[in-house]
Amino acid sequence: DAGVIQSPRHEVTEMGQEVTLRCKPISGHNSLFWYRQTMMRGLELLIYFNNNVPIDDSGMPEDRFSAKMPNASFSTLKIQPSEPRDSAVYFCASRDREGNTEAFFGQGTRLTVV
Amino acid sequence: GNSVTQMEGPVTLSEEAFLTINCTYTATGYPSLFWYVQYPGEGLQLLLKATKADDKGSNKGFEATYRKETTSFHLEKGSVQVSDSAVYFCALFLTSGTYKYIFGTGTRLKVLA
Repeated sequence: DAGVIQSPRHEVTEMGQEVTLRCKPISGHNSLFWYRQTMMRGLELLIYFNNNVPIDDSGMPEDRFSAKMPNASFSTLKIQPSEPRDSAVYFCASRDREGNTEAFFGQGTRLTVV
Repeated sequence: GNSVTQMEGPVTLSEEAFLTINCTYTATGYPSLFWYVQYPGEGLQLLLKATKADDKGSNKGFEATYRKETTSFHLEKGSVQVSDSAVYFCALFLTSGTYKYIFGTGTRLKVLA
């Protein structure tokens, strides 16, 4: 299995631009999580989906952030418009539906907003 | 509320030294507990886990025991190597209710040759 795949690995964009981060979870996994990691705040849960349905988006910082999961094999996190304070590493993780409780993380997308 | 508290870093050790990274948690119900490791420029990787009280998780020489009475899950290794230098995260997963992971702030370990 290729694991959780995120793209792009690095993104540099100008303030005000729209940014879309992509995630492909491990096949067969039914839960998907988006996290943001910064030095100041550590690892923050932004949103998670179960069976493609958003269950908890209380961590989404503001309306500029939105996430979708149109099917079991794809999710996006969009920031519009982006701001310098959004600069961080964004991780996607997935978990399977049976017994096992560990989440598997992607390599992350390092976002820099200038 | 549910939370994870782990010792602040950085922790600097010499090669072959004994490692302990403390982790305590607060949770409703009976969470599963994890240690994840993050190497520079990479995502988090599962290091070990324990799903019920008194379980011991182990991997690559690392161990941690789920202690319900002290709500702790301390990470230990008898003899660290330079290659163990990384950031270590303690986490819990709530198996009822919200079904989400809560992570500690991470502890950076630096092992010197």
